[in-house]
Amino acid sequence: SYELKQPPSVSVSPGQTARITCSGDALPKKYVSWYQQKSGQAPVLVMYEDTRRPSGIPERFSGSSSGTMATLTVSGAQVEDEADYYCYSTDSTNNHRVFGGGTKLTVL
Amino acid sequence: EEELVESGGGLVKPGGSLRLSCAASGFTFTNAWMGWVRQAPGKGLEWVGRIKSKVDGGTTDHAAPVKDRFTISRDDSENKLYLQMNILKTEDTAIYYCTTDYYYDSDGRQLDYWGRGTLVTVSS
Repeated sequence: SYELKQPPSVSVSPGQTARITCSGDALPKKYVSWYQQKSGQAPVLVMYEDTRRPSGIPERFSGSSSGTMATLTVSGAQVEDEADYYCYSTDSTNNHRVFGGGTKLTVL
Repeated sequence: EEELVESGGGLVKPGGSLRLSCAASGFTFTNAWMGWVRQAPGKGLEWVGRIKSKVDGGTTDHAAPVKDRFTISRDDSENKLYLQMNILKTEDTAIYYCTTDYYYDSDGRQLDYWGRGTLVTVSS
């Protein structure tokens, strides 16, 4: 079955840039979305179609994708950005959606 | 304001059945592809499946772990989404979220809504 691979954890100090990667064989053909999930809360969409930011998401969040890797960048990370981040895309063989395993972002 | 509210979760024995409901409001439900996502305790997000809008065919897709046991359906007259879960296993224990799987506004921007989730516990 199709897999999206993410690092388990990323850690930065406040004000630094955090980069969270997601790799998958179908990413050259399929868009990636990114979700932020804080403890005890439902996920929130922070990026879709690789680079588009939903209304209300701070500009410090940006996305990119090249080849089989997508990246979510948090420029000038804030303490409130601490959360689990999941990439999300589509299996090109059956159009089923797939989540990455998640990355815990620590900002301290 | 847009809202999704799940209900129907609870404790069920292995092999049992449960039906989850999701009531939608504040957006054009009939135009949205709708889905279910689950999250086992302390684990990551897992896509369960989706149902397309009627105008896009109304077809369903279910993830491999639940295929042939779970069925997603919708009632556009009631703005409701359902998840019928049969032959439940302990590994189905999770919070189940109702979500918009694919929904865009008239300006081409994706609108993404999630409920707060309902807990399903499968245990003897």
